[in-house]
Amino acid sequence: SQQGEEDPQALSIQEGENATMNCSYKTSINNLQWYRQNSGRGLVHLILIRSNEREKHSGRLRVTLDTSKKSSSLLITASRAADTASYFCATATGQGAQKLVFGQGTRLTINP
Amino acid sequence: DGGITQSPKYLFRKEGQNVTLSCEQNLNHDAMYWYRQDPGQGLRLIYYSQIVNDFQKGDIAEGYSVSREKKESFPLTVTSAQKNPTAFYLCASSIGLQETQYFGPGTRLLVL
Repeated sequence: SQQGEEDPQALSIQEGENATMNCSYKTSINNLQWYRQNSGRGLVHLILIRSNEREKHSGRLRVTLDTSKKSSSLLITASRAADTASYFCATATGQGAQKLVFGQGTRLTINP
Repeated sequence: DGGITQSPKYLFRKEGQNVTLSCEQNLNHDAMYWYRQDPGQGLRLIYYSQIVNDFQKGDIAEGYSVSREKKESFPLTVTSAQKNPTAFYLCASSIGLQETQYFGPGTRLLVL
């Protein structure tokens, strides 16, 4: 039941650079969420953006949503080694009785 | 402290044995979930529960069973019918099916 697909699958950048990850989906959404997972740990919620919102910020994170293109992006500015993790998008669709569907994730590596 | 806990952190299963993974939350959430994660992969939904005494199969329910007798608890049993149980198991909870999910730290299941 794949809905959101992250791109790229893996990303490696230098510390201090910005990292951008994308999520594309197929059907109309109610909201889209981004999560982070450090190796061997549970997922941590980052940001939820609703279908009527276009952009949200949280610290060094910026999420945009383009419903016409059925896509979202997560931007991490001024990356740090601690940002090394996998990042997942999850989409909520339908009338509210449907559960979140997670994508396969982007593995981000920040090189010191 | 409010949160979601999983135990044990590591679990070893012998051939033909059933094992039970514990998941407890004190967030007063109605919905709870079990996911399986294989190395380098995304999350796959095993079972979920919207409310006490009710649960639904996810995408890969075969070889697993759950119960939801209390709001706080959602144990997962990996039965002997699950032929490839080695994986990282994550439990999560949320207020509703489409709201933010809060994850436990995970249980790593290994087969002896």
